[in-house]
Amino acid sequence: RKEVEQDPGPFNVPEGATVAFNCTYSNSASQSFFWYRQDCRKEPKLLMSVYSSGNEDGRFTAQLNRASQYISLLIRDSKLSDSATYLCVVYGGATNKLIFGTGTLLAVQP
Amino acid sequence: GAGVSQSPRYKVAKRGQDVALRCDPISGHVSLFWYQQALGQGPEFLTYFQNEAQLDKSGLPSDRFFAERPEGSVSTLKIQRTQQEDSAVYLCASSLRVFSGETKNIQYFGAGTRLSVL
Repeated sequence: RKEVEQDPGPFNVPEGATVAFNCTYSNSASQSFFWYRQDCRKEPKLLMSVYSSGNEDGRFTAQLNRASQYISLLIRDSKLSDSATYLCVVYGGATNKLIFGTGTLLAVQP
Repeated sequence: GAGVSQSPRYKVAKRGQDVALRCDPISGHVSLFWYQQALGQGPEFLTYFQNEAQLDKSGLPSDRFFAERPEGSVSTLKIQRTQQEDSAVYLCASSLRVFSGETKNIQYFGAGTRLSVL
């Protein structure tokens, strides 16, 4: 079983739709959580960190459920420019490294 | 530019050749990471440097992989006797401080080197 699991998609949604991605992690000692965005053939870039109380950045909302070891990302009012792969990333405290999921591909259609 | 720079962007190697991939981190960044990203997968950790010290090389797939950062800035990832399964994008990332997963100590990635082994 992978340490960080995501549905690879693709998620095909129309512009303006709301879409949610989920991610589960296996190490209960994990300390920090992130969503990265990766455009096709580009490098990953930090989208947002995920805090225990949940956090919002414009159209993006991230949630963390430590009890269920589950992270989510909600995108409201999808734009064409949101089309990308969204990587769920977990910091495993004991191993001092970032663990990436396989990514979820989002395609926003006009 | 002020970002992480990697060279070459593309490398084609014949099976059995040695290759060297270069990473110029953001100036002043203490931490440097190498990742391997296979097609359709997320980046997988290879190794971590704190300044010139290689503190973690647990992700290196075999003893054909070797990384160094002799002066605590530029790093080189060397792959000896390349195999087809080494074909992937090799990403370098750097962060300002000693790495501890702190949310504000962001890892900035370079554009990667796409290695194809024929």
